[in-house]
Amino acid sequence: DVVMTQSPLSLPVTLGQPASISCRSSQSLVHSDGNTYLNWFQQRPGQSPRRLIYKVSNRDSGVPDRFSGSGSGTDFTLKISRVEAEDVGVYYCMQGTHWPPFTFGPGTKVDIK
Amino acid sequence: EVQLVESGGGLVQPGGSLRLSCAASGFTFSSYSMNWVRQAPGKGLEWVSYISSTSSTLYYADSVKGRFTISRDNAKNSLYLQMNSLRAEDTALYYCTRATWDYWGQGTLVTVSS
Repeated sequence: DVVMTQSPLSLPVTLGQPASISCRSSQSLVHSDGNTYLNWFQQRPGQSPRRLIYKVSNRDSGVPDRFSGSGSGTDFTLKISRVEAEDVGVYYCMQGTHWPPFTFGPGTKVDIK
Repeated sequence: EVQLVESGGGLVQPGGSLRLSCAASGFTFSSYSMNWVRQAPGKGLEWVSYISSTSSTLYYADSVKGRFTISRDNAKNSLYLQMNSLRAEDTALYYCTRATWDYWGQGTLVTVSS
C-alpha cells in the first residue's frame, strides 16, 4: 500500500501570511496513463471534507485562487498565498493512483496564531 | 445540485450489525462509482470500500474485509454499507463520496459500545 506522509502536522499561521504543507508518498504517483492522481482536501471544523485540488494542481470550482498545488512523483505541496480566517481546518492529501486502497495523509491542522 | 445524504448510523453493541444508506440526488447516480470513507473521533480519514457504477467491481479496506458489504440500487439512487461483526474500532463518522472525490455527504455516526 502507498503510505502518505504530511508535514508539518500542525501549522499555526498569521492572517495574511503564506502557508505551505508538504505531502510525500512512499512510491511515485505517476499512473500508467500519465496522470498523477494526488488530491488535496480541506476539512473545516465540524464539516465534511471538501476537495480543493485534484491531479496535483487543478483547483476545484469555487476554490479561491490563493490555494495552489504543485509537485511531481513523490513530493507534493499545497500552498496558501495569504491565509484567511476561513482557512482554519485540517488539510489532507490523498492518492488515487495505486488503489485499492485509496490512502490519505495524516492531516495537517492549520490554525491562527 | 449534487447531494449525498447518509443515514442509518447509531449505537450498536460489539458484534452487532448496522446498515448505512446514502441517498444521492442532483446527478446521474448510475454513471458514478462510489466510496465509503470513515473518520474515527478526532482522527483522520480512512477509505473503507468502493463500488463501481454497475456493482461489478467491489473493493474493501483490509480492516473491514469479510465483515462489511457495499452495495447499491441504481433504480433508487442509493448506496449501502452493511456492517456486521462490529468492533469498537469501527466507531466513526461514515461518509459516502463519489469516486471522483468531488462530493461528500455530511456523514452518519456509528458508535460501537456496550
